[in-house]
Amino acid sequence: DIQMTQSPSSLSASVGDRITITCRASQVIANSLAWYQQKPGKAPELLLYGASTLKSGVPSRFTGGGSGTEFTLTISSLQPEDFATYYCQQYYTTPRTFGQGTKLEIK
Amino acid sequence: QVQLVESGGGLVKPGGSLRLSCAASGFTFSDHYMSWIRQAPGKGLEWVAYISSSSSFTNYAESVKGRFTISRDSAKNSLFLQMNSLRVEDTAVYYCARARSLDYWGQGTLVTVSS
Repeated sequence: DIQMTQSPSSLSASVGDRITITCRASQVIANSLAWYQQKPGKAPELLLYGASTLKSGVPSRFTGGGSGTEFTLTISSLQPEDFATYYCQQYYTTPRTFGQGTKLEIK
Repeated sequence: QVQLVESGGGLVKPGGSLRLSCAASGFTFSDHYMSWIRQAPGKGLEWVAYISSSSSFTNYAESVKGRFTISRDSAKNSLFLQMNSLRVEDTAVYYCARARSLDYWGQGTLVTVSS
């Protein structure tokens, strides 16, 4: 199985900060990577797919990059509604696997 | 708008069975792969299974293989997950989601396996 490792596991930041979350795959997954945001008690929501393609309606402050085995999610200027848990997931092969999550908290 | 609504969760004893349903609307259901994903209380996300648009292909996580069966009824725009031989560790919120990129998710249904 492909292991997905996110770093950091948690992050404290302030409104207006720029932050980056990294996701590493244990083997090459091309650009078959998605990022999700989950708020407490809610279902996850897709932010980006294909490593860097923003889902329609998602704010442009979210950007994704990388290919192969290393990927990033950057939020350029944090807004209050961005404090949540973020997951990466590979869909290159089965079993589909998720990262362990990165909890983004308000400093 | 795309809507996915899960149902069928509840409390079941270890070894028991449960059938989850996911009602889809707002898109052409028969055009899309569909998946089930679960989340144990306080834990991360775990992919459970997927089924191709025509039901030709299914795939399962090792943790549920041989116990769970994913299926769909395109005439009813519905996705199903038959769960047999349930274990305590199957306790989770179960979500259905659309497409390979899981672009839309339902609100989830809670399955609790406990004696």
